[in-house]
Amino acid sequence: AQSVTQPDIHITVSEGASLELRCNYSYGATPYLFWYVQSPGQGLQLLLKYFSGDTLVQGIKGFEAEFKRSQSSFNLRKPSVHWSDAAEYFCAAPRDKIIFGKGTRLHILP
Amino acid sequence: DTAVSQTPKYLVTQMGNDKSIKCEQNLGHDTMYWYKQDSKKFLKIMFSYNNKELIINETVPNRFSPKSPDKAHLNLHINSLELGDSAVYFCASSHSGLPLHFGNGTRLTVT
Repeated sequence: AQSVTQPDIHITVSEGASLELRCNYSYGATPYLFWYVQSPGQGLQLLLKYFSGDTLVQGIKGFEAEFKRSQSSFNLRKPSVHWSDAAEYFCAAPRDKIIFGKGTRLHILP
Repeated sequence: DTAVSQTPKYLVTQMGNDKSIKCEQNLGHDTMYWYKQDSKKFLKIMFSYNNKELIINETVPNRFSPKSPDKAHLNLHINSLELGDSAVYFCASSHSGLPLHFGNGTRLTVT
């Protein structure tokens, strides 16, 4: 079955440190892939999307993600996190419907 | 000029009641969705409408009934509310399925 997996339920990093959130997918063909962020009490905001072409995708708020077919991964990265980045992050992939990973809660230490 | 707006933001009600959540989008999108987010933040699609036609209907109790009067609106009506219906319900819209734009959610609490 098609699926999106986020292996880490919680991630804690210090403010100013680099960040990588993992996402793995299982699809036969090259999928479209998205990352969303959900701040407390808010809806989901699209951070970035991958459709085709360049495998390194730039998004909003200084985030980027790299599509690696060989690893079936689409990991989200940020070189230096800010306290305001503390939120829930979701990887998603559409087929006949949008499938979301279970989310990774990012905690930021001051 | 909110893109996807849901009302109400909070809904507290007793078991057995019937309630509705409204959603409107002003993005000109052709597809609208309802998602349920449980206490563990897991997002599960419930319904999807494309140009007022139901295209996705997941395994959802038939107490839940979506209604789309036009392309810009998708309402969710819930009959005979149960404790397990407590969750955050998100409306979303998209053009040709990609990507989704979400509303801010409706937190439903059934007591």
